[in-house]
Parts: sequence; C-alpha cells; structure tokens
Amino acid sequence: GENVEQHPSTLSVQEGDSAVIKCTYSDSASNYFPWYKQELGKRPQLIIDIRSNVGEKKDQRIAVTLNKTAKHFSLHITETQPEDSAVYFCAASRGNQGGKLIFGQGTELSVKP
Amino acid sequence: SAVISQKPSRDICQRGTSLTIQCQVDSQVTMMFWYRQQPGQSLTLIATANQGSEATYESGFVIDKFPISRPNLTFSTLTVSNMSPEDSSIYLCSEGTDTQYFGPGTRLTVL
Repeated sequence: GENVEQHPSTLSVQEGDSAVIKCTYSDSASNYFPWYKQELGKRPQLIIDIRSNVGEKKDQRIAVTLNKTAKHFSLHITETQPEDSAVYFCAASRGNQGGKLIFGQGTELSVKP
Repeated sequence: SAVISQKPSRDICQRGTSLTIQCQVDSQVTMMFWYRQQPGQSLTLIATANQGSEATYESGFVIDKFPISRPNLTFSTLTVSNMSPEDSSIYLCSEGTDTQYFGPGTRLTVL
C-alpha cells in the first residue's frame, strides 16, 4: 500500500546550522507534498508544501526539494533557531484526486543554543 | 484557511464506554478527515467524512468502532466506541482538498 518513509527520526543541530530531513514515497500517483511542524501539545501546522510540477520551493529559511523520478523530497532549514525545535512530518497525497495524506514517521529536531 | 474547532479538547474515559468528538469548521468545506495520533507517533488517517454518504474508512479501521457522521458541510463527529486503553490517543480532524489544516485535537485517555 501507500507508504512514506522519513529520516532521520531525531536530529540535533547547533543554532545557526542547517537541518535536512528526507522522505521517500511509494505511490507514484502522489502529486502533493506538504510539511508540517508540530510543537509539543499543539496541532500540526503547515509550514511549506510542493506540488509535482515544480522541483523546488523556498520560503525564507525553509526550502523543499522534490525528485519525482526517485520519489523523494526533502525539507531544508537554514540558519536554525531554538524556536525551530519541534517534530516535523512529511506527507504525500494525490491532491484533489483523493486528498488523504499519508504521513512519514516524523523527525524530532532539536536546535541547541 | 478555515478555522477548525474540536470538542472536547480532552477527556478521561472508562473502558467499555464511548466518546463522541465534534469538529466544527467556520466555512463550508468539501473534504473532512479524521486522524489518530498515538503517543509519540505520527498521524494515521482513520476515515474520510463524506457529506451525505457513509464515511470511507482506511485499512484497519471499521465503522462499528469509529462511526462518523457528516450532516452538513461544516460539521462532523467521530465516535470512539467500546473504548480500551489502546484507544488512548489524540484524535484530529482536518479539512481541505489537498492542502489540509488541522483542528486542535482531542486528547483521549482511556483507563
């Protein structure tokens, strides 16, 4: 069935360093790839998303890249800050053909001051 | 994005009982979904709540255990039936055709 693998499960970086989280998906019909940030005790918040017709998208310190041939996508956070510490989830869906999100296992990011 | 609210925000229940969780959206939406997030885990889709028809359940989830209602385009309920401690989780509703936004969640503890 549909599956999304996410790595690493935990990531610790120094403030100011970059962080990269990688995901692979199995459903070749997936065309929408959002990333969510979940702080402790809070709901997942959408931070960036990418659709299959582009290879990269950037929003300030956050960027996402997509390789449809290899079926993987990555989240890049530059100049990390302590407030970036949270659990990050990638997800994949068929977009408006179904809408349901298949989530990766999550990455707990810790940014040390 | 729509504003989504859920009730209750948390509850502690006894095994064998049932709890109904409400999800309210401040505008009409086509697609609503229910997810479960077990402690320390990722989100797993339970079902898609379809307006005017039965919900579509994912593998491993059945209507008898998780009955869902969707009476209109702004509201849905999820019932967790005959609860056991293994049902202790956060239950989240979401809305959106592709971009999805989540409600604040209902933290359920079953004793």
